[in-house]
Amino acid sequence: AQTVTQSQPEMSVQEAETVTLSCTYDTSESDYYLFWYKQPPSRQMILVIRQEAYKQQNATENRFSVNFQKAAKSFSLKISDSQLGDAAMYFCAYRIGGGADGLTFGKGTHLIIQP
Amino acid sequence: DTGVSQNPRHKITKRGQNVTFRCDPISEHNRLYWYRQTLGQGPEFLTYFQNEAQLEKSRLLSDRFSAERPKGSFSTLEIQRTEQGDSAMYLCASSPRGIYEQYFGPGTRLTVT
Repeated sequence: AQTVTQSQPEMSVQEAETVTLSCTYDTSESDYYLFWYKQPPSRQMILVIRQEAYKQQNATENRFSVNFQKAAKSFSLKISDSQLGDAAMYFCAYRIGGGADGLTFGKGTHLIIQP
Repeated sequence: DTGVSQNPRHKITKRGQNVTFRCDPISEHNRLYWYRQTLGQGPEFLTYFQNEAQLEKSRLLSDRFSAERPKGSFSTLEIQRTEQGDSAMYLCASSPRGIYEQYFGPGTRLTVT
């Protein structure tokens, strides 16, 4: 079974600084997808960024980028120029490729932005 | 396109009662997913529909849980004889064919007293 581990229950960063959230996963599959989702307080989950396992290039979306280390099964999220609106729970998620399976989520990291 | 909607947003029920939740996916999304999220945890997959066919069910989905998606449009999740352990946020997500990310609704928060 696939597992996703987020080892940082909570992270705090000063506004405008950079923060990195960690995620590791365990799978025997070669074709899979990885995602970071953001869940603001009392609001719905939204997709931040996705990475296809077959792509070597790390995904980037504006201030958000990932460091995908396939051999190490590591998928960290870097948030640059942190803003107050970035405060939320961040979930790392995995799904196998090819089918339409459900996502496997980590337990999440609570990101606090200090003004 | 108004996104995934879920109703009700909150439900309080007494132990032993039956409850039903509704999810309306984004139009033309043929895939629909149900998840359960308890406090301090990530969402856990419950079940998945492709059009009207229920293709996968998690072991978390006990016999008291049933889900339907008639005509491949909206979906309902029913919990019979609710237990306190059923208290959680129930999330619905949808995705179109060929796209791997899922789009989530706001969830239904169930409290069983």
